[in-house]
Amino acid sequence: GAVVSQHPSRVICKSGTSVKIECRSLDFQATTMFWYRQFPKQSLMLMATSNEGSKATYEQGVEKDKFLINHASLTLSTLTVTSAHPEDSSFYICSAPSTAANYGYTFGSGTRLTVV
Amino acid sequence: GENVEQHPSTLSVQEGDSAVIKCTYSDSASNYFPWYKQELGKGPQLIIDIRSNVGEKKDQRIAVTLNKTAKHFSLHITETQPEDSAVYFCAASPPGYSTLTFGKGTMLLVSP
Repeated sequence: GAVVSQHPSRVICKSGTSVKIECRSLDFQATTMFWYRQFPKQSLMLMATSNEGSKATYEQGVEKDKFLINHASLTLSTLTVTSAHPEDSSFYICSAPSTAANYGYTFGSGTRLTVV
Repeated sequence: GENVEQHPSTLSVQEGDSAVIKCTYSDSASNYFPWYKQELGKGPQLIIDIRSNVGEKKDQRIAVTLNKTAKHFSLHITETQPEDSAVYFCAASPPGYSTLTFGKGTMLLVSP
């Protein structure tokens, strides 16, 4: 139980285009979803926290107009990287707390974004 | 906010040896301490966790200890195997499904 399905696993896009990343909770309701970014050989850095039906909370230094987060249902949260640039190339990971995970956190498998 | 320090950044051991990774945290309110294993190109996988009402927890070759007074916790892997090679992250979280704060990670290399 407590599976978060993240898609796509890899995406390559051109500079200036937008990319949408989806995270779905398959067997539980995710009222909260955390979005992380991880650069090579670095730790996970929290970008934003989304709650179903309300606006996301962004960490300091993260542009909310560039990283659009939608959490319209209890099983789906999306992150859209708008007008992507090469510096946005990174590994993006979502995570949701779940009672099914013994009150821990379940992580998606990550999305490798490469902007060319 | 919470600050988690993790050491060492890299750890090389021979197959069969034990490996120990240590973390300290700053927020005394934190009460949930998970450890994650991350393989290249994949998301973190929970390997063990501990809550502040417990001092030690063991699952086969993996154990975690927590010293709440000193605000540090450690991961112990015994009888290491090459497939244990990965990056390991510790994390800490206060009560109530708050965000996890991660350590910087330890790259464990187990040589055959």
